[in-house]
Amino acid sequence: GENVEQHPSTLSVQEGDSAVIKCTYSDSASNYFPWYKQELGKGPQLIIDIRSNVGEKKDQRIAVTLNKTAKHFSLHITETQPEDSAVYFCAALATHSGGGADGLTFGKGTHLIIQP
Amino acid sequence: DSGVTQTPKHLITATGQRVTLRCSPRSGDLSVYWYQQSLDQGLQFLIQYYNGEERAKGNILERFSAQQFPDLHSELNLSSLELGDSALYFCASSVVAGDHEKLFFGSGTQLSVL
Repeated sequence: GENVEQHPSTLSVQEGDSAVIKCTYSDSASNYFPWYKQELGKGPQLIIDIRSNVGEKKDQRIAVTLNKTAKHFSLHITETQPEDSAVYFCAALATHSGGGADGLTFGKGTHLIIQP
Repeated sequence: DSGVTQTPKHLITATGQRVTLRCSPRSGDLSVYWYQQSLDQGLQFLIQYYNGEERAKGNILERFSAQQFPDLHSELNLSSLELGDSALYFCASSVVAGDHEKLFFGSGTQLSVL
């Protein structure tokens, strides 16, 4: 089955700096990669996703890049703000198996801390 | 606010007991997923229901069961509780987006087994 590794487990950056979270996956059939943000006391919330036919996707201060050959994808947050402090999860899915979310494999999460 | 409602927010109980967690999906969503989140295991898929029927099963223990009712709300029943069952339990509803589903998570139920 799919295995998703996520690094680092904790990341502390100064407010205004950039943050990068990296994930690797094992199943070359995976073709959909969402990222979730979980704030304290809340459930994970989808913030951005990318398909394997796209190398990069951007939404304001967040971007995701995908390297299919190396089987890794990354979340980039620029100009970090205090409200970016949260736990971020990457995930991978092979949609050929039906596309159901039961096929999602999550990384273990990265606790991002924005230092004022 | 995701539109998915979970109750209760917190639950404290003793080993050997049985509890029921409740979830109401977003209006119009037919699918409900249950997840367990612990520090060492991360987010683990337990079970999925779609329009009242079980659709997919993940790493759900035999002591755990779930059901989805005609009004589409779902309940997760955890019995013979052990200390290791202490975790955050999330439900999510989903919407089809092309060839995959997008999940909308509730705020979770924090279960503490003492």
